[in-house]
Amino acid sequence: KAGVTQTPRYLIKTRGQQVTLSCSPISGHRSVSWYQQTPGQGLQFLFEYFSETQRNKGNFPGRFSGRQFSNSRSEMNVSTLELGDSALYLCASSLSMGQGDYGYTFGSGTRLTVV
Amino acid sequence: AQSVTQLGSHVSVSEGALVLLRCNYSSSVPPYLFWYVQYPNQGLQLLLKYTTGATLVKGINGFEAEFKKSETSFHLTKPSAHMSDAAEYFCAVAGGGNKLTFGTGTQLKVEL
Repeated sequence: KAGVTQTPRYLIKTRGQQVTLSCSPISGHRSVSWYQQTPGQGLQFLFEYFSETQRNKGNFPGRFSGRQFSNSRSEMNVSTLELGDSALYLCASSLSMGQGDYGYTFGSGTRLTVV
Repeated sequence: AQSVTQLGSHVSVSEGALVLLRCNYSSSVPPYLFWYVQYPNQGLQLLLKYTTGATLVKGINGFEAEFKKSETSFHLTKPSAHMSDAAEYFCAVAGGGNKLTFGTGTQLKVEL
């Protein structure tokens, strides 16, 4: 069974631009979460979607947004990119909410570099 | 609120030696605890998790962890290190929904 698919794997953008990252969860998984990983801040929670609704949000500015479609695929968008947005963005899917019961499966991530 | 502290950002062991990676947690509710491994340029792979029940949890690749409530710890061990275990390891806690709070990670180096 296919895992969590994130596209693209690598991305280079210029400061001030916007970017959209895509995540396709495991078939049947309805919960998708996004994390940002940087050397300085480590792994930080961005947001979580379940049944097309944002259920939880981390402490990130409004430039970071996301959405989930009816097929559970998710996108996240970062507008007005800053150098500090350079990071590995990880998507994770789960059957449902309630991490302890179902567990996450992570994708390989999208490496975003802002120049 | 939940938090995780991983003691030691870098750990080095010899091949065949015991691996011990330390994790202490703080949680205002009964925690769900996890260990993930990350290889270079890859995502996170779940090694094991504790939810309820047995406090000694066995995971993949010979790893195990013991939940000790009195010590608020969830240390990861493996009896005999292999070169392929070299990676970064993250301890995480979940207290509500699917949000994970991660530790800062421990880079494991395995030497011949």
